[in-house]
Order: sequence, then structure tokens, then C-alpha cells
Amino acid sequence: AQSVTQLGSHVSVSEGALVLLRCNYSSSVPPYLFWYVQYPNQGLQLLLKYTSAATLVKGINGFEAEFKKSETSFHLTKPSAHMSDAAEYFCALSGGSNYKLTFGKGTLLTVNP
Amino acid sequence: IAGITQAPTSQILAAGRRMTLRCTQDMRHNAMYWYRQDLGLGLRLIHYSNTAGTTGKGEVPDGYSVSRANTDDFPLTLASAVPSQTSVYFCASRSPNTGELFFGEGSRLTVL
Repeated sequence: AQSVTQLGSHVSVSEGALVLLRCNYSSSVPPYLFWYVQYPNQGLQLLLKYTSAATLVKGINGFEAEFKKSETSFHLTKPSAHMSDAAEYFCALSGGSNYKLTFGKGTLLTVNP
Repeated sequence: IAGITQAPTSQILAAGRRMTLRCTQDMRHNAMYWYRQDLGLGLRLIHYSNTAGTTGKGEVPDGYSVSRANTDDFPLTLASAVPSQTSVYFCASRSPNTGELFFGEGSRLTVL
């Protein structure tokens, strides 16, 4: 069985501050890991993905994430938050050959001026 | 570029009624998925299809059925809707090259 845990359902930061969204996973096979973003009333868009190549993955809009096997983590970061980053963020896991994604429950990011 | 098209975008439905949510893709992806999104629960997989002619059950399949007659279409049917099926439903397809899921804009369903 595989699972994804996102720590913190709501994170609030000031504009220009560091963004850190936490994701831990459990998988019995080497995982593929993803971060998706969802803006209000829209579908999900891929931010970045880890597929067993480089452990530090860079995505769109200045976001990056680091795969740490020893900590079973895949935290999402951005050095400086922008107002347009306000959205809900989902960490997702795909393991084995079934390709089904298991999603975390999401973290709502609020950016304060 | 359409990608994933879902219809309807929003629907209010009386309990006990039958409802089909439509999903069409133009990317020729083999794998397609239906998720429901509920506040505090994230996205949960309802049904999936790895290729035309095959389907499988996800995490929350009860009360839903799907069919995959061809590559492009993957409709989700609620045979007899209940209020607990009030949710936002997302259809997605998977790129075989990158593993990325492409999502539709969602169908907001309210069952009264």
C-alpha cells in the first residue's frame, strides 16, 4: 500500500518569504513523486515531478523539491513567495506498475501582502 | 489545444436520479482516471482505465460505474445519485512519456 501525508492543511506566508510545504510518503516500491497546484475553480496542473533521476527537482514558477529517501520526504519550496502563488498544493505518489496516483489531502497556501 | 474536456461543468441533481459525467481527451493517452475532490479529503480515485476496453476500481468506487469503449471517451455514471456523492469530479489522462496526469476543469455535482 502507498500513502501520502501532507503536513499542514493551511500554510500562510508573507509576500517575499520562504515557502515550505511538507510531504511525506510511504511506498513499498521506488516511488515517482509529484507536486500539483490547483487555482480556484480550476483543475490541477503539474508543478514538478521526481522520477528517480536527480533528487533535487526544479519546477515551474520558481518551485523546487528535494527527494530524501532516508526521510521519505518530498518537500516543496520556493525562496520568495508571490501573491500569485496562493493556491492549493497537492503532493502525489505513483508506485509500481499500476501508475495510479495517490494524492495527499492538500495544503492551502495563503500569501499575505 | 483542448486536452481534457469535461461536461457538464456544474449540475444540480435530485437524489435517485441517474447522471453521466462526460470526459473526452484529444491526446490519445491510454490511461484515464476519475477522481472526486472533497474538502479536507483531497482527491480520491473512483475508477481508472489503463487502456480502451479495460477498467478498474479505485479507492471509492461504490455507486459509480465507468466504461471505456474507445481511447478518447471515459464517462462516469451515477446510477442512482445520493447526497454523499455531492462533490467536484475530475477526469484525468496520463502521459505515457512523462507520467504526468492532465486534468479537466472539473464537474461540480450537487445531489439534493
